[in-house]
Amino acid sequence: DAEITQSPRHKITETGRQVTLACHQTWNHNNMFWYRQDLGHGLRLIHYSYGVHDTNKGEVSDGYSVSRSNTEDLPLTLESAASSQTSVYFCASSENTDTQYFGPGTRLTVL
Amino acid sequence: AQSVSQHNHHVILSEAASLELGCNYSYGGTVNLFWYVQYPGQHLQLLLKYFSGDPLVKGIKGFEAEFIKSKFSFNLRKPSVQWSDTAEYFCAVTLTGNTPLVFGKGTRLSVIA
Repeated sequence: DAEITQSPRHKITETGRQVTLACHQTWNHNNMFWYRQDLGHGLRLIHYSYGVHDTNKGEVSDGYSVSRSNTEDLPLTLESAASSQTSVYFCASSENTDTQYFGPGTRLTVL
Repeated sequence: AQSVSQHNHHVILSEAASLELGCNYSYGGTVNLFWYVQYPGQHLQLLLKYFSGDPLVKGIKGFEAEFIKSKFSFNLRKPSVQWSDTAEYFCAVTLTGNTPLVFGKGTRLSVIA
């Protein structure tokens, strides 16, 4: 069955370190998204991609970057982790404007 | 900018009570509308969606939603909730033409016995 996976599921890091969160989907979807979920804010879009080599900034992109070298993967990098980036991160994929399928999430703690 | 409002932050209901969660969006053009559910400790799953056609949409687990274009609303309903419906519910909107989803802040539903 097609799926979307994220790794690691839990990560603790220190302020200033670079962190990369992986997202891999086997739906063969063109669209992939990264969100962060925080209490009182719901889901906020960080970055998204409509295809290989395409990346776009979302609502809260500062301090984050993505790259899309193939259809299946959209890794999210925190260039210099900050305590404000402690959150739960969800990756999603979709075909056009149809249903987005979400991964299980990565809980990131920045100390 | 497009926005989605969910008016209820936390709703507490007894089992068998009826549920209605409000969702309003700000964009006046053609939109696609979604309700997602997140059970405790899990990822988001689609409950139902509306693209066009009959404005009353039926989803999984007995949920339904009604699109009222004149009110920019897409409220979620269920006639009789169960304890297993305890979850967070998110309304989301996207413009037609392959644009990202915009989510509301979510409504936490607690169903008590």
